[in-house]
Amino acid sequence: DVKVTQSSRYLVKRTGEKVFLECVQDMDHENMFWYRQDPGLGLRLIYFSYDVKMKEKGDIPEGYSVSREKKERFSLILESASTNQTSMYLCLTGGIWYEQYFGPGTRLTVT
Amino acid sequence: LAKTTQPISMDSYEGQEVNITCSHNNIATNDYITWYQQFPSQGPRFIIQGYKTKVTNEVASLFIPADRKSSTLSLPRVSLSDTAVYYCLVAGANNLFFGTGTRLTVIP
Repeated sequence: DVKVTQSSRYLVKRTGEKVFLECVQDMDHENMFWYRQDPGLGLRLIYFSYDVKMKEKGDIPEGYSVSREKKERFSLILESASTNQTSMYLCLTGGIWYEQYFGPGTRLTVT
Repeated sequence: LAKTTQPISMDSYEGQEVNITCSHNNIATNDYITWYQQFPSQGPRFIIQGYKTKVTNEVASLFIPADRKSSTLSLPRVSLSDTAVYYCLVAGANNLFFGTGTRLTVIP
């Protein structure tokens, strides 16, 4: 079975804190993606990566950065968390064009 | 870049067939179309995927016309447990776009 894990299911942080969200997959997938999901806005792409040390901005990269030092691990970093970053964060991994799998999600609350 | 458009919500009675259509006018030649189902507080779950014509599995059917500018997810005889948000995704080598999702409510 494909396993995509995210470091936390629920996270509460204070405004201004640096936050790390990690996604790990065991399928040797090239592509990994970070989305945030908000009511009425669907899934919005933050960043994605097609290979180790490669990263590309998605639709809403502002306030976020990413790191992919190993193929199986893709980290989303909130340099200075703000309340408007309170959201559900979902990691997606996939081979070329198909075999896409979501992680369970991290519900982040910034107070 | 292939953006997708779906109806925001749909209602259906139990036992009916439900068809949800997604528009993707700018789909690229090598892009695939995938549909996901999401329940509250869970990540999206894969339902079905196709490239063209019709695909059927034990859960749903996917209809894709020849021009591939739209796709229709068909759920036969829905039950209350099918109440969820359904997302259309167009995925290729260099893009991966979700629609905003369609909230399906199945009514007893």
